Amino acid sequence: GAGVSQSPRYKVAKRGQDVALRCDPISGHVSLFWYQQALGQGPEFLTYFQNEAQLDKSGLPSDRFFAERPEGSVSTLKIQRTQQEDSAVYLCASSLVGLGVRETQYFGPGTRLLVL
Amino acid sequence: AQTVTQSQPEMSVQEAETVTLSCTYDTSENNYYLFWYKQPPSRQMILVIRQEAYKQQNATENRFSVNFQKAAKSFSLKISDSQLGDTAMYFCAFTNSGGSNYKLTFGKGTLLTVNP
Repeated sequence: GAGVSQSPRYKVAKRGQDVALRCDPISGHVSLFWYQQALGQGPEFLTYFQNEAQLDKSGLPSDRFFAERPEGSVSTLKIQRTQQEDSAVYLCASSLVGLGVRETQYFGPGTRLLVL
Repeated sequence: AQTVTQSQPEMSVQEAETVTLSCTYDTSENNYYLFWYKQPPSRQMILVIRQEAYKQQNATENRFSVNFQKAAKSFSLKISDSQLGDTAMYFCAFTNSGGSNYKLTFGKGTLLTVNP
């Protein structure tokens, strides 16, 4: 596709439900990132994949958050037993090659999660 | 830990005028990279401009330029000849040049409105 896509765009969950957020990176992009953007805040790093390998998950806020990228393309961010503080926009980004700040991160439109 | 501060939550400018958005950061690193990202309403975040800390020359991209003051840890964005399409949230971001140079740290953002 032409850019990074994410689905669903909006998700309403009841507290305690599990949710799965999908990211389709730009075709051929090696690196994939997840960020969490709370209302009125800048994005905060959650996790980083290089192909199928999760190289950094230091930003995941708790063990209820789990991300995978089994075939090195599509990624899923799963949140178990959602809580109200999980309400945020979840952004996915991808870049062409591996580690390297010269590589531009291309962002998706985000999934807005509201936990009631 | 690195921090990025954007002290102007909102700004407005008249079309065709010039506006400057402020950003300061804190780091103990000597080499790093700074970015300005633009997030239009309901659209993807895109990279506007980047600056490498070891380069003294300020980066420019068409109507966008930065004023990088390394000693003061200041990184402001100047938008010349403002256009209605510049209306967006602008985020200043930082990454170091070391092992985790993929991890962007963002400020809280400045909402810029360009008025006709």
